[in-house]
Amino acid sequence: GENVEQHPSTLSVQEGDSAVIKCTYSDSASNYFPWYKQELGKRPQLIIDIRSNVGEKKDQRIAVTLNKTAKHFSLHITETQPEDSAVYFCAASMGAAGNKLTFGGGTRVLVKP
Amino acid sequence: GAVVSQHPSRVICKSGTSVKIECRSLDFQATTMFWYRQFPKQSLMLMATSNEGSKATYEQGVEKDKFLINHASLTLSTLTVTSAHPEDSSFYICSAPHPLGNTEAFFGQGTRLTVV
Repeated sequence: GENVEQHPSTLSVQEGDSAVIKCTYSDSASNYFPWYKQELGKRPQLIIDIRSNVGEKKDQRIAVTLNKTAKHFSLHITETQPEDSAVYFCAASMGAAGNKLTFGGGTRVLVKP
Repeated sequence: GAVVSQHPSRVICKSGTSVKIECRSLDFQATTMFWYRQFPKQSLMLMATSNEGSKATYEQGVEKDKFLINHASLTLSTLTVTSAHPEDSSFYICSAPHPLGNTEAFFGQGTRLTVV
């Protein structure tokens, strides 16, 4: 089955700096790659996603890049703010976007004011 | 937007008892729902896929007799943790795909289960 690895597990950045989280996946059949932000005790919140026919997608301060050949994708957050502090998960799935997800191990991001 | 409602949000039960968690799609029909488990400070792991009108599909290592899944209707899936033990304490969360479009997965609010 699919295996998703995520690095780093923790990331501390100064407010205003950029944060980058990287994920690799194992199954070349995966074609949908969402990123989630999760607050403690809450459901995951989709922040951005990318499909395999696109190499890059941007939404304000957040961007995701996908390298299908290398089977890795990355989340970039620019101009970080304290409210960006949370746990972030990457995931991969096949078929429809709402299909079952294989999650990465998570990255705890701390933005220091 | 599509809403998936999960109840209860928190439950504390005694060891050996059973707990039922409900997941409802409020404004769409969900022929499939996914159940995940998340231990503290860990990632979400798929436990099983719930299918309306047929048996659930369990991931490797998940005991089907312990985690009973019933997809009773096109809007309701339930997960029953039977004979719960402290090691079953976890955050359980469901998700459902919207049938009308290739959109994101819709997650329930999650259930924090504590077995004492």
